Amino acid sequence: QLQLQESGPGLVKPSETLSLTCTVSGDSISSRSYYWGWIRQPPGKGLEWMGGLYYTGSTYSNPSLKSRVTISMDTSTNQFSLKLSSVTAADTAVYYCVTDFWSGYPRFDSWGQGTLVSVSS
Amino acid sequence: DIQMTQSPSSLSASVGDRVTITCRASQILNNYLSWYQQRPGKAPKLLIYGASNLQSGVPSRFSGSGSGRDFTLTISSLQPEDCATYYCQQSFSNPRTFGQGTRVEMK
Repeated sequence: QLQLQESGPGLVKPSETLSLTCTVSGDSISSRSYYWGWIRQPPGKGLEWMGGLYYTGSTYSNPSLKSRVTISMDTSTNQFSLKLSSVTAADTAVYYCVTDFWSGYPRFDSWGQGTLVSVSS
Repeated sequence: DIQMTQSPSSLSASVGDRVTITCRASQILNNYLSWYQQRPGKAPKLLIYGASNLQSGVPSRFSGSGSGRDFTLTISSLQPEDCATYYCQQSFSNPRTFGQGTRVEMK
């Protein structure tokens, strides 16, 4: 059974870069079945899709985040990562890593438990 | 971006009630529509994909229907564990977008 686990600092200072890692177990990150993605949820608010990447290295991201998002993978550790630059308080959220099953009707079928990242000085 | 609008924003129902949540997209989705359940303090969980396909392991009291721009999530007999917020989400085009959520509470 595929499982995802986010890790990273819970507090980031404004203007700095938020960095999170998602460890994948139960399948290879080189699987052709999935994109590997990130979704966030500000406290008390709804869900925002941030972007994802495929095992080939191709990536896609939400234009609302402009060029602040970088998603990458490390096949040697079976992990993928999120970097969000120039953070502000508006980036305070629970960040989820997800599998984006793309075949047929795409859907986010596995989720990590989420990790809260606060942006504050 | 495709805008997703859910209604109602919240509802209160009794155990055993039939509950219906609607989701309207700003453009036709060709059934690229999923539903998720988020219990308090937990990650969302996929319930329905392709507008009407039940995800493995999800109780059969959950069902999805609709086409074009209008979609519905139905809980045929509400159970206490169904207290949660429900989100629709489109995968027709990037960026993927979610509805604002519908909170379901027990009366």
